Amino acid sequence: KNEVEQSPQNLTAQEGEFITINCSYSVGISALHWLQQHPGGGIVSLFMLSSGKKKHGRLIATINIQEKHSSLHITASHPRDSAVYICAPFQGGSEKLVFGKGTKLTVNP
Amino acid sequence: DVKVTQSSRYLVKRTGEKVFLECVQDMDHENMFWYRQDPGLGLRLIYFSYDVKMKEKGDIPEGYSVSREKKERFSLILESASTNQTSMYLCASSLGDRGTIYFGEGSWLTVV
Repeated sequence: KNEVEQSPQNLTAQEGEFITINCSYSVGISALHWLQQHPGGGIVSLFMLSSGKKKHGRLIATINIQEKHSSLHITASHPRDSAVYICAPFQGGSEKLVFGKGTKLTVNP
Repeated sequence: DVKVTQSSRYLVKRTGEKVFLECVQDMDHENMFWYRQDPGLGLRLIYFSYDVKMKEKGDIPEGYSVSREKKERFSLILESASTNQTSMYLCASSLGDRGTIYFGEGSWLTVV
């Protein structure tokens, strides 16, 4: 059983649409990362959060530790947002991450 | 900016060869990680190091070993490469206490 479930697995949107990607996890955690991976492999951390909400530009991430759920929102989506988005909670009290399978987002012009 | 550099971007090796994948980070991070990424399986942790000469097995350590002789460098070693080790390998580093993680660009290894 995968400890981290992301939905949807694939998402196609038109430029300008509001996007939501959800992440649910079964393990107790203290924080998690939202990661972005573009074709070609490189991964960057968009957010690390342990409570509430964080915002960077058009990206917003929220987390509810008690409900074991996090969401990533993209406002006014753009084709350059096309990528795979991965939810990655910290495993228990350790430094290790547990990874979701990712959500592949395609934004069409 | 933090930089995590993987020495080889694309490699083709023969079955049975010994393979070294090198990773260097420039931000004095304690933690370094090696992952592999395969379609449908996502990222899986091979080995983790939290200090020089310290290492911890991840989820899939079989067939791999690691070396961390200096804080900035973490090497992944495939003692005898096999075709099922064809994959994309990602190195990452982070500061202690669950800090932000930084990834390298990835190394695409093909074993023939």
